[in-house]
Amino acid sequence: DVKVTQSSRYLVKRTGEKVFLECVQDMDHENMFWYRQDPGLGLRLIYFSYDVKMKEKGDIPEGYSVSREKKERFSLILESASTNQTSMYLCASSFPGQGYEKLFFGSGTQLSVL
Amino acid sequence: DQQVKQNSPSLSVQEGRISILNCDYTNSMFDYFLWYKKYPAEGPTFLISISSIKDKNEDGRFTVFLNKSAKHLSLHIVPSQPGDSAVYFCAASASPSGTYKYIFGTGTRLKVLA
Repeated sequence: DVKVTQSSRYLVKRTGEKVFLECVQDMDHENMFWYRQDPGLGLRLIYFSYDVKMKEKGDIPEGYSVSREKKERFSLILESASTNQTSMYLCASSFPGQGYEKLFFGSGTQLSVL
Repeated sequence: DQQVKQNSPSLSVQEGRISILNCDYTNSMFDYFLWYKKYPAEGPTFLISISSIKDKNEDGRFTVFLNKSAKHLSLHIVPSQPGDSAVYFCAASASPSGTYKYIFGTGTRLKVLA
């Protein structure tokens, strides 16, 4: 079974702090994604990466950056955390096969910015 | 602009009856659709998918129907069980092979009453 592991289940940070959210997958997947989930807004794509050191902006990249130095690890960085970044953050991975491939999600990190 | 819409935020169904969850989309380029289920404090898990070349896909108690002309898909759960109580997200993609960017709906919370 594919395992996508997010390093923290809950995080509490202060405004202005630099925050790192880590995600590791164990299935050699090419694609990795960061989403945030907010009530009434569903899952919104922040950034994705289809290869090491490659990244593309999703729908809401402002205030975020990412790093993919190794294939199995995809980090989301909040350069200067703000209260509107309080959310559930979900990492996902997929393997680009012959056709469309489903996403495998981690358990999520609930981030509170005070 | 919400390209994938789930207009019912919640749904309650009696155990053993049919649950029907609906999803509408606006982008006619979408050609692959997925349903995910999410329990509290867990990541979404893949349920079922359908490509635009089909109008129905079945997997056990779960059936997804696609009406391309109406830009509408629905998930049927028969019979519904208390363990099906969760938030259900539909997702759509128009990406070419290689990079799979999914657009998610806002979710429908299903409650199956024992």
